[in-house]
Amino acid sequence: DIQMTQSPSSLSASVGDRVTITCRASQSISIHLNWYRQKPGSAPSLLIYAASSLQSGVPSRFSGSGSGSDFTLTITGLQPEDFATYYCQQSHSIPPTFGGGTKVEI
Amino acid sequence: EVQLVESGGGLVQPGGSLRLSCAASGFTFSSYWMHWVRQTPGKGLVWVSRINSDESVTTYADSVKGRFTISRDNSDNTLYLQMNSLRVEDTAVYYCVRGAVATPKGWFDPWGQGTLVTVSS
Repeated sequence: DIQMTQSPSSLSASVGDRVTITCRASQSISIHLNWYRQKPGSAPSLLIYAASSLQSGVPSRFSGSGSGSDFTLTITGLQPEDFATYYCQQSHSIPPTFGGGTKVEI
Repeated sequence: EVQLVESGGGLVQPGGSLRLSCAASGFTFSSYWMHWVRQTPGKGLVWVSRINSDESVTTYADSVKGRFTISRDNSDNTLYLQMNSLRVEDTAVYYCVRGAVATPKGWFDPWGQGTLVTVSS
């Protein structure tokens, strides 16, 4: 199975900050990397697919980059609703696997 | 609006069975791969199973192979997960998730609200 490693596991930030989360795959996954946000008490929701494509309806402050085994999620101008946990997920091979999550806290 | 609504979770004893259902609406259910993903505080998000549009292909995580069965009813827009021989470690919130149309690879969108399965004596 492909292992996905996210860093950091948690971070503290303020409204308006620029936040960067990284995700590393244990082998090359091309651009088959997706990002999700999970607000407390809710299901995850898709933010970015195929490494850098913004899901419809997702604010443009979210952006993704990377290919191969190293990827980044950037939030430019953190909003109150962005205090949540973020997960990366590889869809390159079965089984699909998720990173351990990054909790963004105030 | 695309919507997935799970039901069927609850408390069950080790060795017991449970069947989860997921009612889909707002899209052409019969065209999409569908998945089950579970979440525990300790192990995070873990993919459980997938099924293609016409039920000809099913795949399972090693941890549930031989115990869980995924199925679907395209006439009723419903996804199922039959869970047998349940173990304490199967305790989790189970999410129904829509996959892609033409490929088993792809992102998960949307997710249902989740249903809690608790396996305990």
